Amino acid sequence: DIQMTQSPSSLSASVGDRVTITCRASQGISIYLAWFQQKPGKAPKSLIYAASSLQSGVPSKFSGSGSGTDFTLTIRSLQPEDFATYYCQQYNSYPFTFGQGTKLEIK
Amino acid sequence: QVQLVQSGAEVKKPGASVKVSCKASGYIFTNYGISWVRQAPGQGLEWMGWISVYNGNTHYAPNLQGRVTLSTDTSTSTAYMELRSLRSDDTAVYYCATDSGYWGQGTLVTVSS
Repeated sequence: DIQMTQSPSSLSASVGDRVTITCRASQGISIYLAWFQQKPGKAPKSLIYAASSLQSGVPSKFSGSGSGTDFTLTIRSLQPEDFATYYCQQYNSYPFTFGQGTKLEIK
Repeated sequence: QVQLVQSGAEVKKPGASVKVSCKASGYIFTNYGISWVRQAPGQGLEWMGWISVYNGNTHYAPNLQGRVTLSTDTSTSTAYMELRSLRSDDTAVYYCATDSGYWGQGTLVTVSS
């Protein structure tokens, strides 16, 4: 199975900040990586697919990059509604696997 | 608009089975596969499996192989996840999600004697 490791596990930031979350795969996954946002008590929301393509309706403040084993999710100009937990997931090969999550908290 | 509406919460005893449904609307059901993902209380997301709605092909997480079955009914645009031989550590919220990025609202399954 491909292991997905996110860093950091938690992150404190202020409104208006720009943050970057990293996701590393244990082996190459080309660009078959997605990012999700989850708020407490809610279903995950799809943000990015194919490493850098925004899902419909997702604001351009979210951006993704990377290929192979190293990927990043960047969120600029943080707003209160952006504080949530973020997950990456590889879908290059079965079983698809998620990172452990990064909790983004308000400083 | 695309919607995935899941069945309601379930309480089951250890050893029992549960079948969760996920009714899709707003798109052509056979155009996208469906994944099932679960989340134990306070934990991260765990991928359970995927089904091609087009031809019924399935892939399952190794740790659930043999206990989980995914299926679909194209006549009602509904996907199903059945989990058997339930244990207390199967207590979780279960989600369906399409390949196109839409998620159901989640179904809480509680396994308790």
